Amino acid sequence: NAGVTQTPKFQVLKTGQSMTLQCAQDMNHNSMYWYRQDPGMGLRLIYYSASEGTTDKGEVPNGYNVSRLNKREFSLRLESAAPSQTSVYFCASSEAPGSSYEQYFGPGTRLTVT
Amino acid sequence: AQKITQTQPGMFVQEKEAVTLDCTYDTSDPSYGLFWYKQPSSGEMIFLIYQGSYDQQNATEGRYSLNFQKARKSANLVISASQLGDSAMYFCAMREGHADSSASKIIFGSGTRLSIRP
Repeated sequence: NAGVTQTPKFQVLKTGQSMTLQCAQDMNHNSMYWYRQDPGMGLRLIYYSASEGTTDKGEVPNGYNVSRLNKREFSLRLESAAPSQTSVYFCASSEAPGSSYEQYFGPGTRLTVT
Repeated sequence: AQKITQTQPGMFVQEKEAVTLDCTYDTSDPSYGLFWYKQPSSGEMIFLIYQGSYDQQNATEGRYSLNFQKARKSANLVISASQLGDSAMYFCAMREGHADSSASKIIFGSGTRLSIRP
């Protein structure tokens, strides 16, 4: 089991460029999440997907779009990157009914926008 | 609205001592869950412990225990016999919603940086 994988691990973008962060999990989890973590800060929820085919906004959705491609994959897209989006992005997944909702996290993507 | 507050930005503790990391929360939902995660300097997020709002007993996992005081809306993490490897950022988090529903938002506090002195 690879758990939660994220690609790429590092990325540098110029202002206005677009990119997609990829996330996949092999634990057959229903729910998936995207967070950002700014230096010295906690995690802030960008978007989440309770199940395949559904997505919902989190605390800081502006400037991002997501796609729940299938049960395994949940991608995050930056259409026009801004320096304020420089951050570490974490993807996570969790099981749904009957569990403690413990989230399993990927290793993170370190994004710098210049 | 959901809110998680961690008032201790940083703490220093002597090795082998016990340490308590504070967490208070605010929610109007009677059904919720509380988590603690550890983030070492390497950056990964490590799940430590979970407490459900209807759980009668405080959760324990090895050296970790969660001091759940529902009336005070606090969910402090207690680490017994601290070790040098416990030096890390610690995050408290909360989920609202019923256990048999689909996933709801999980929000995190700002974290506490714990440093263990030898």
